[in-house]
Amino acid sequence: DAGVTQSPTHLIKTRGQHVTLRCSPISGHKSVSWYQQVLGQGPQFIFQYYEKEERGRGNFPDRFSARQFPNYSSELNVNALLLGDSALYLCASSLETGTRRYGYTFGSGTRLTVV
Amino acid sequence: GQQLNQSPQSMFIQEGEDVSMNCTSSSIFNTWLWYKQDPGEGPVLLIALYKAGELTSNGRLTAQFGITRKDSFLNISASIPSDVGIYFCAGYTISSGSARQLTFGSGTQLTVLP
Repeated sequence: DAGVTQSPTHLIKTRGQHVTLRCSPISGHKSVSWYQQVLGQGPQFIFQYYEKEERGRGNFPDRFSARQFPNYSSELNVNALLLGDSALYLCASSLETGTRRYGYTFGSGTRLTVV
Repeated sequence: GQQLNQSPQSMFIQEGEDVSMNCTSSSIFNTWLWYKQDPGEGPVLLIALYKAGELTSNGRLTAQFGITRKDSFLNISASIPSDVGIYFCAGYTISSGSARQLTFGSGTQLTVLP
């Protein structure tokens, strides 16, 4: 069974550029969440999407946006990149069956370096 | 952003020793999770706790959900070299229709010496 897949695995961008990161959830999972993990810290919540609608947003500027497609895959977009956006971006998928006894499965992440 | 208070920040132990780490929050959670992250990988779920006071084991790992709902701890018994990695606690509380947002600790870096 394929897990959560993210692409690309590594990316180098210049300040001011735009970046798009992609995530494919586990088959059957309808919820996708995005997290930013800066070196030496735990992941920070950016967005959650469920059934193609935004369910929640963390404390990130409007330069960050995301969407979920009919096949439940998702994109995270970041505009006007700053050096501080350099981080590991993680995608997590879950069933969201209505019971809390479900797990989040994380992908291996996209390592973004802004120079 | 908010992070849970996780301690210790790092640990160096001898192979075969037991390890204990804990996590505290200023907020109440109704679910606590413990993850392990290896270099270049995403976090992998080790144990999930859903009820205050719950004690759950997964092989050599044991975790407990604190009675106050504001803390949790993880024990690893008889450590082995493959236990090396960063361990994160995470908590969340479900509100109907709202995001299921995980709040993570800052991590415990575990090194196991042969």
